[in-house]
Amino acid sequence: GAVVSQHPSRVICKSGTSVKIECRSLDFQATTMFWYRQFPKQSLMLMATSNEGSKATYEQGVEKDKFLINHASLTLSTLTVTSAHPEDSSFYICSARLTGSDSPLHFGNGTRLTVT
Amino acid sequence: QKEVEQNSGPLSVPEGAIASLNCTYSDRGSQSFFWYRQYSGKSPELIMSIYSNGDKEDGRFTAQLNKASQYVSLLIRDSQPSDSATYLCAVKRKAAGNKLTFGGGTRVLVKP
Repeated sequence: GAVVSQHPSRVICKSGTSVKIECRSLDFQATTMFWYRQFPKQSLMLMATSNEGSKATYEQGVEKDKFLINHASLTLSTLTVTSAHPEDSSFYICSARLTGSDSPLHFGNGTRLTVT
Repeated sequence: QKEVEQNSGPLSVPEGAIASLNCTYSDRGSQSFFWYRQYSGKSPELIMSIYSNGDKEDGRFTAQLNKASQYVSLLIRDSQPSDSATYLCAVKRKAAGNKLTFGGGTRVLVKP
């Protein structure tokens, strides 16, 4: 099956610093990847759609200048949380699907971000 | 009305029993439906996908889709303690393009 690798799995950073999270599709090419955020006891909320070779599409309410997304290749998308604050502490999960828009999403293992 | 609704639970079932989870959705044009299982602190993993009305079985899991009534359900037969998790219903909504919308999840507790 499809494998999506996400790194790091856990990161603790100080307020005001930036954190980069990588998402790789290991055995398939993903022209589109999706970044989700999940707060405790809540469901997944889509933050943005990452498009290879073009700008990401952000969901309403998500600051594009704060959450920088780069999708430079067919197997790698990165999410950078800039000037992180404690309220950005959350579980960030990337996902991708195999070819075909009806294919299910496969998720990376997630990144637990804690901003102190 | 939320786009995808689930009872948050917890749904407590004895080991060996059937767990029945329901999910309703608001967009009648929705095309694809998925059930994910999420253990605490982990990312979701796909259990089932279903695209047409009726039942789809995979091992101990059965997904049921009724587009006319706009609901999709998941049955877990012979529930095991390892099935204790949060189950997320996800719907690909026609109005939302290629994106999935997730329900809030139902927490299932299987008691030995």
